[in-house]
Amino acid sequence: DTEVTQTPKHLVMGMTNKKSLKCEQHMGHRAMYWYKQKAKKPPELMFVYSYEKLSINESVPSRFSPECPNSSLLNLHLHALQPEDSALYLCASSHSGGLDEQYFGPGTRLTVT
Amino acid sequence: GIQVEQSPPDLILQEGANSTLRCNFSDSVNNLQWFHQNPWGQLINLFYIPSGTKQNGRLSATTVATERYSLLYISSSQTTDSGVYFCAAFPGAGSYQLTFGKGTKLSVIP
Repeated sequence: DTEVTQTPKHLVMGMTNKKSLKCEQHMGHRAMYWYKQKAKKPPELMFVYSYEKLSINESVPSRFSPECPNSSLLNLHLHALQPEDSALYLCASSHSGGLDEQYFGPGTRLTVT
Repeated sequence: GIQVEQSPPDLILQEGANSTLRCNFSDSVNNLQWFHQNPWGQLINLFYIPSGTKQNGRLSATTVATERYSLLYISSSQTTDSGVYFCAAFPGAGSYQLTFGKGTKLSVIP
């Protein structure tokens, strides 16, 4: 099974709200990723977790806070977002990071009002 | 960093036609993936292909790493093939971050 799941599918939030995006995989992968994709653009890497430790943070603003509670779960906590943060947020996983094939979830479409 | 360029940016096909999508990269890469992003946003893995040729049904891919390009062939296209096709490369020299091209938007019309 090469499935990565993400919830919710859609999220609308105000600029003062706090919300979380969730990602789960049961493939035994030890690397998990958050990407952000704006309309008509390719995905851009935000964070990489490897063996449950944050290994890459692509200079993402602190209003985005990732968390990896265990090897199967990845969260992205959102607080005080701006309208320009509206985008499709994609989660991915790979066997152990590095050059391994990455598998993507269906994404959460976020709208900040 | 590495540049990944895809062509053409847009492609319209009649159902049943064949097509070739191209991905050029500016430097040596350690690996390459092809994805299809459907209209709902899901990125579907098509091929993980550092070199050589792979086939999966109506789709096949060829990567010639020494010449820094990869090709995706779609035969007998169907309307469900519509969407955006991305290639993404792992650069060499110790970088383990996927670098995406800008994509090819394919529209297959009945």
